[in-house]
Amino acid sequence: DIQMTQSPSSLSASVGDRVTITCRASQSISSYLNWYQQKPGKAPKLLIYGASSLQSGVPSRFSGSGSGTDCTLTISSLQPEDFATYYCQQSYSTPYTFGQGTKLEIK
Amino acid sequence: QVQLVESGGGVVQPGRSLRLSCAASGFTFSSYAMHWVRQAPGKGLEWVALISYDGSNKYYADSVKGRFTISRDNSKDTLYLQMNSLRAEDTAVFYCARDRDIVVVTGIPDYWGQGTLVTVSS
Repeated sequence: DIQMTQSPSSLSASVGDRVTITCRASQSISSYLNWYQQKPGKAPKLLIYGASSLQSGVPSRFSGSGSGTDCTLTISSLQPEDFATYYCQQSYSTPYTFGQGTKLEIK
Repeated sequence: QVQLVESGGGVVQPGRSLRLSCAASGFTFSSYAMHWVRQAPGKGLEWVALISYDGSNKYYADSVKGRFTISRDNSKDTLYLQMNSLRAEDTAVFYCARDRDIVVVTGIPDYWGQGTLVTVSS
């Protein structure tokens, strides 16, 4: 199985900050990497698919990059509604594994 | 709009069985692969299973293989997860989710239901 490791596990930031979250795969997954946002008590929401494609309706301050074993999610200017937990997920092969999550908190 | 509504969760004793359902609306259910994903209390997301649009292909996480069965009834726009030999570690919120593209399996859950809680406890 492909292991997904996110860093950091938690992050404190302020409104307006630029934030980057990294996801590393245990083997190359090309660009089969997706990012989700989850708020407490809610279902996850797809933000980015194929490493860099923005899901419809997602604000352009979210962007993704990378391929192979390393990908990143960047939020260019944090908004109050962005404080949540973020997960990466590989869709290269089954089982479709998730990272452990990165909790983004208000500083 | 796409809507997925899970049901069937509850409290069950270890070793017993439970069947979850997911009613779909707002899209052509029979054209999309579907996923089950779970989340233990306070933990991260764990992909559980996928079924192709026509039910001909099914894939499972190692942790549930041989115990859980994913199925669908396209005439009823409903997805199922039959869970047998339940263990305490199966306690989680179970989400159903649609795969992102028509017919082709992408492995990308795009729309998710609100989840149903399964608690395995004596």
